[in-house]
Amino acid sequence: NAGVTQTPKFRVLKTGQSMTLLCAQDMNHEYMYWYRQDPGMGLRLIHYSVGEGTTAKGEVPDGYNVSRLKKQNFLLGLESAAPSQTSVYFCASRLMNTEAFFGQGTRLTVV
Amino acid sequence: GENVEQHPSTLSVQEGDSAVIKCTYSDSASNYFPWYKQELGKGPQLIIDIRSNVGEKKDQRIAVTLNKTAKHFSLHITETQPEDSAVYFCAPMDSNYQLIWGAGTKLIIKP
Repeated sequence: NAGVTQTPKFRVLKTGQSMTLLCAQDMNHEYMYWYRQDPGMGLRLIHYSVGEGTTAKGEVPDGYNVSRLKKQNFLLGLESAAPSQTSVYFCASRLMNTEAFFGQGTRLTVV
Repeated sequence: GENVEQHPSTLSVQEGDSAVIKCTYSDSASNYFPWYKQELGKGPQLIIDIRSNVGEKKDQRIAVTLNKTAKHFSLHITETQPEDSAVYFCAPMDSNYQLIWGAGTKLIIKP
């Protein structure tokens, strides 16, 4: 089992460019999450999904969009990247009443 | 919604000594209480969890204790070793089955 896989691992964007981060899980989990983590800080929830075709806003959703067209995939989009979106992005998945499994993270720099 | 506070934010202990991190929460309906460890450059990983029908759970040098009346649970690490140096997060599950993350505790093990 691969668990939770994030693509890409690193990316540098110019201000105003767009990109999509992909999260894939092979554990048949219902819930999926996107977090951002700034240096020395905790996890902040961007968006989450409780099942295929559903999405909901988290604590810091502005500037991001998400889609969950397939149960195993959760995509995070940045339409017009800003330097404030420089961060490490983590995807996680879980069943309703159990632990979360995290991907290895995507380090994004916006210049 | 659930409010979670984690203390201390930084903890420095001598190798071989014990470390205790405390997490308080507000949702009296919470019934799942996990602790995660995040090593540098990696995503958080579950190290121990407890459910509300149990007061204490132990796994070798790691233990979690739960006080539902006072709404707090604690992580105990005994005989600390250099590899215990990391950031630790509590993430109690609220009544909507969502994990609410504490701000994290940086544990430093001094040789």
